[in-house]
This record gives sequence, structure tokens and C-alpha cells, in this order.
Amino acid sequence: DQQVKQNSPSLSVQEGRISILNCDYTNSMFDYFLWYKKYPAEGPTFLISISSIKDKNEDGRFTVFLNKSAKHLSLHIVPSQPGDSAVYFCAATNNNDMRFGAGTRLTVKP
Amino acid sequence: DGGITQSPKYLFRKEGQNVTLSCEQNLNHDAMYWYRQDPGQGLRLIYYSQIVNDFQKGDIAEGYSVSREKKESFPLTVTSAQKNPTAFYLCASSRSDGNYGYTFGSGTRLTVV
Repeated sequence: DQQVKQNSPSLSVQEGRISILNCDYTNSMFDYFLWYKKYPAEGPTFLISISSIKDKNEDGRFTVFLNKSAKHLSLHIVPSQPGDSAVYFCAATNNNDMRFGAGTRLTVKP
Repeated sequence: DGGITQSPKYLFRKEGQNVTLSCEQNLNHDAMYWYRQDPGQGLRLIYYSQIVNDFQKGDIAEGYSVSREKKESFPLTVTSAQKNPTAFYLCASSRSDGNYGYTFGSGTRLTVV
């Protein structure tokens, strides 16, 4: 029962362009959403989050958009940099029950 | 610096042996978690603990056991009953007073030989 889905296993973009990573969820009880970034052989690190009462949260080059009616969120990275190359996990939580997507591997080419 | 430490980073185990993965945090977090990561899959919850001396099974608890005798420590034992133990194991901790992000350890790669 995969409640959080990232349907694109990989994404490749050119340096300086926008990266858009997508995430869908099925449980309408989720009230907080997060994005984590993970490098090989390391633990995920927190990137950005959004509460279900908002539809946008911005932090520097990173913006997360939430569309509750569509149960969809996305992470925008602009401009993309080679150092952004990593696996990005979408997560959704309700009262500390956190579910993760399968991850999207982003490659930013110089 | 506060953080969460997993050890060892790499672990090899023979079939039929139990092995224990260490997880220690000094963040004063109440909640701790163990996840497993396999290629092409998200992080799957093995066990979690919201408070000392209490823990609950996650989605894939079979073949694993945990203890939470101290707030700072949440060791995971991979038993011989776990059918496919080779994986990357991640420990995490969080505050329990609301929806906050997790802090993850750097992971342990377990390989059964």
C-alpha cells in the first residue's frame, strides 16, 4: 500500500535550468509534506517542507507547491546546479506516521 | 554538535547469524525509527519508538527486533528469520510534539554472505 508515489525514477536537466520533481499521495489525512535529499551511502537530509494549510513554500532556489485537491506536490529547483545531483525523496506525515516515496534521481549536467 | 550516529557503516553477516545495528542520538528526540532502503523502493518502516521502553512494529517488522532502554539508543537486531536482510538500513529520530522532519543517520549497509 504505497501512499506516497514518485512516478519518475530519474530526471536529467541542464545546469541553470529548472528541475521539477513530482509526488502524488493517496491519504487525505496527511497534513505535512517534506522533501529530503540523499547522496549515495548517506542518510537523507531535510530539504524543505510545507504544511497542508499552505500551497507554496519557498527557500532560496527551492520551492515546494502543494495541490491538495489533486493530492499532488512538486519541488522546483531553479536554477539547477551540478551539486543538486542526488536522490530526492518526497515524504508525507500525519502525527509522526511518515511515509516516503521511492525517490527520484536527479542529474544536473554541466 | 547534536546528531544521530549509526555504526558500523558496513556490515557483513553469514546466513543464519543474528546481527545488531547501533543507533545513538544526542538530539534529545523522543521518537526514533528504523527504515530499510532497497533499490527502486521508498524507505520502509521496520520499527519505531515514541518513548523509552515502548516500541511498535512498522510495515516490515518480521525478522527484526528492537529495544529502547535509553532515550538516546535504539538498536536494531536483524535475526536469522529475516529472509532478505541485505539492504541499506537507516535510523532516524524526531521530536514527538508535532509534524517535524526527521534527522537521519548516515546508514548501515548490511550484506549477507
